[in-house]
Amino acid sequence: GENVEQHPSTLSVQEGDSAVIKCTYSDSASNYFPWYKQELGKGPQLIIDIRSNVGEKKDQRIAVTLNKTAKHFSLHITETQPEDSAVYFCAASMGGGTALIFGKGTTLSVSS
Amino acid sequence: GAVVSQHPSWVICKSGTSVKIECRSLDFQATTMFWYRQFPKQSLMLMATSNEGSKATYEQGVEKDKFLINHASLTLSTLTVTSAHPEDSSFYICSAHGTLLTEAFFGQGTRLTVV
Repeated sequence: GENVEQHPSTLSVQEGDSAVIKCTYSDSASNYFPWYKQELGKGPQLIIDIRSNVGEKKDQRIAVTLNKTAKHFSLHITETQPEDSAVYFCAASMGGGTALIFGKGTTLSVSS
Repeated sequence: GAVVSQHPSWVICKSGTSVKIECRSLDFQATTMFWYRQFPKQSLMLMATSNEGSKATYEQGVEKDKFLINHASLTLSTLTVTSAHPEDSSFYICSAHGTLLTEAFFGQGTRLTVV
C-alpha cells in the first residue's frame, strides 16, 4: 500500500522567513496530494492541494510543488507569521473518494 | 466549503463501557466516510472506510468487533468503541467524501479518555 514520508518532523523559523516541508510517496497510482494544518485539539484543515496533472499550485503565501517522476511534493510557506505555527500533514490518495494516507507531520514554530 | 460535524468533541468513560461517536455531513451527501485515530504527537492512522449501506472495510490490525461502524444514511456515520479500555484513549477523527466533491472534509475530532 501507499507510504508517505514527511520531513522535517520539527521546523523553527523566524517571522518573515520561508518554511519548506517535503514529502515522498511510494505508490505511483496516487494522484491527489493535499496538505493539512492541524491546531491542538482540532481536526485537520485543508490548506492547499495538488493533483498529478499539475506541477505547481499557489495560493497567496502558500505553494505546493509536485515532482511525479521522483514521487515527491513540497509545501512552501513564505513570509511566515506566528499564526502559521501548527502541525502540518501531507497526504496522498488515488482520488475518487479513496482514503488519504498521511505523513507523520511537521511541527512548525514561527517566532516573532 | 462543505461542513462535517462530529459529536461529541470530548468524552470520558469508564473502562468496560461503550462510547458512540457521530459524524454528520451537514450540507452534502457523503457516500464514503473514513475514520482515523490519532495518538498524541502522532499522525492520523486510517481505521476503516465506510460506504453508505454496506459494511465497513477495516484496516489491518483494527478489530472490527471492537470498533463498530454504521453508515446507515448518506449524512451520518457512527463509530462505537465497545468495551473501551484505557489504551483506546485517543483522538478519533472522521472525514467525508461526496460524489461531487473532490476533497475530503474532516470533522472536529473526538477526544476519548477511558478511565
